[in-house]
Amino acid sequence: DQQVKQNSPSLSVQEGRISILNCDYTNSMFDYFLWYKKYPAEGPTFLISISSIKDKNEDGRFTVFLNKSAKHLSLHIVPSQPGDSAVYFCAAYARSGANNLFFGTGTRLTVIP
Amino acid sequence: DGGITQSPKYLFRKEGQNVTLSCEQNLNHDAMYWYRQDPGQGLRLIYYSQIVNDFQKGDIAEGYSVSREKKESFPLTVTSAQKNPTAFYLCASSIGTARTQYFGPGTRLTVL
Repeated sequence: DQQVKQNSPSLSVQEGRISILNCDYTNSMFDYFLWYKKYPAEGPTFLISISSIKDKNEDGRFTVFLNKSAKHLSLHIVPSQPGDSAVYFCAAYARSGANNLFFGTGTRLTVIP
Repeated sequence: DGGITQSPKYLFRKEGQNVTLSCEQNLNHDAMYWYRQDPGQGLRLIYYSQIVNDFQKGDIAEGYSVSREKKESFPLTVTSAQKNPTAFYLCASSIGTARTQYFGPGTRLTVL
């Protein structure tokens, strides 16, 4: 049962435009969310996170938005650059239970020069 | 230069053999994790350890074993009981119960 879902397996965006990656979750106990970026044959790299007490967190070109009522979060990349081309994983953490993250299946972002 | 190292990067194994994947970290992190990634899927937790000499099963622990004798090291053994061992294996660590995990470069295991 996938508790964190990324329904778009791929996304293509022109360089300089905005990239919006989406993530939905089902577990209301999740209280912390993260985005990881992954290149082929490499480990994921932590990108940005957000606590459930916030609805927005910004770090340079990356902004994560959280809509708790809809159980939805999104990652905005502005402006998109060719080096942003990678697979992006959404992950969620529950305040109770095991100390582990639940990952989505990833969205492959391609930024076209 | 702190980080997580995994070796080897590529590993080939004959069916029926056990194989051990290495994971070492010099970040002084208490917790360590093993994940498996298959094509088109997210990362699935195999085992995790929050302190030395203690570890817990994750979602897909069957056919795997781990040890945590030192804080820096968390090796994963893929046993012959694992039915589909070919995958990309990722090790991660975090500070105590901190929620941000940091990943190593991964090991791709192929069973021939």
